[in-house]
Amino acid sequence: DTGVSQDPRHKITKRGQNVTFRCDPISEHNRLYWYRQTLGQGPEFLTYFQNEAQLEKSRLLSDRFSAERPKGSFSTLEIQRTEQGDSAMYLCASSLVRQGPGDEQFFGPGTRLTVL
Amino acid sequence: GNSVTQMEGPVTLSEEAFLTINCTYTATGYPSLFWYVQYPGEGLQLLLKATKADDKGSNKGFEATYRKETTSFHLEKGSVQVSDSAVYFCALSAHAGGTSYGKLTFGQGTILTVHP
Repeated sequence: DTGVSQDPRHKITKRGQNVTFRCDPISEHNRLYWYRQTLGQGPEFLTYFQNEAQLEKSRLLSDRFSAERPKGSFSTLEIQRTEQGDSAMYLCASSLVRQGPGDEQFFGPGTRLTVL
Repeated sequence: GNSVTQMEGPVTLSEEAFLTINCTYTATGYPSLFWYVQYPGEGLQLLLKATKADDKGSNKGFEATYRKETTSFHLEKGSVQVSDSAVYFCALSAHAGGTSYGKLTFGQGTILTVHP
C-alpha cells in the first residue's frame, strides 16, 4: 500500500498526559499537512511542512502542540498536557508541489484521540 | 480570511434522483476549488477539482463548475446510487504566485444518504 499511513488509529488518554501521533506520507511527496476534525465539522488546518521546513502554523495550534518532520520524511504531532477539548480526529495529508494550482492532497485514515 | 459554506444537511434521496449540494466561498485572489468525499469507514479522497473560473471538474458522474461571478462550486449528479452515500466536503486552496499555497479550507460537510 503506497498511501498515507497514520499511527495509531485510535488513542485514548487521560487529561494531562502527553500523546504523539505519526504520519508516513506518500514517499515522493514533499508537502505534509496536519488537520483536525471534530464531529460534524470539516477538517481544520493545523500546520504544514515542505520537506523538513515547517512553513505555517495555524492559530489553532497552541503552545501544547508541536510537530516535526525530520529529514523530510515522516512527521510526528505531539500534544502535551492533553485537555478534553483536544478530542478529535487528527488527519495527515501529503502532496507533491508542482508549479501550478490545484495540487491534490492525499489523506491518511486519521488518528482518533479521546481525552478522558 | 478564506471560508467555505455548504448547504445544510443531511440530504436524503432515492436512488436515481438528481443531486445538488450547494457550496459558496470567500477568498482573496483566485483559489482552486475541490470536492472531497468520505465514504463510511474510509479516509477523505478527492472527488473532483477546478483551478480557474468556468472550469468544470467531473468524476464518477459528479460535476461542479467554478463560478467566479457567484463565488460558487455546486456539486451535481444526474442519478445517484446507494453507493454514493457518504459525506461530501467542499474546499478551497488559495494561491500564492503560480504555486498552490497549499492548505485547504473546508466547508462543514454534507451527509448524503441514498435509499434503494
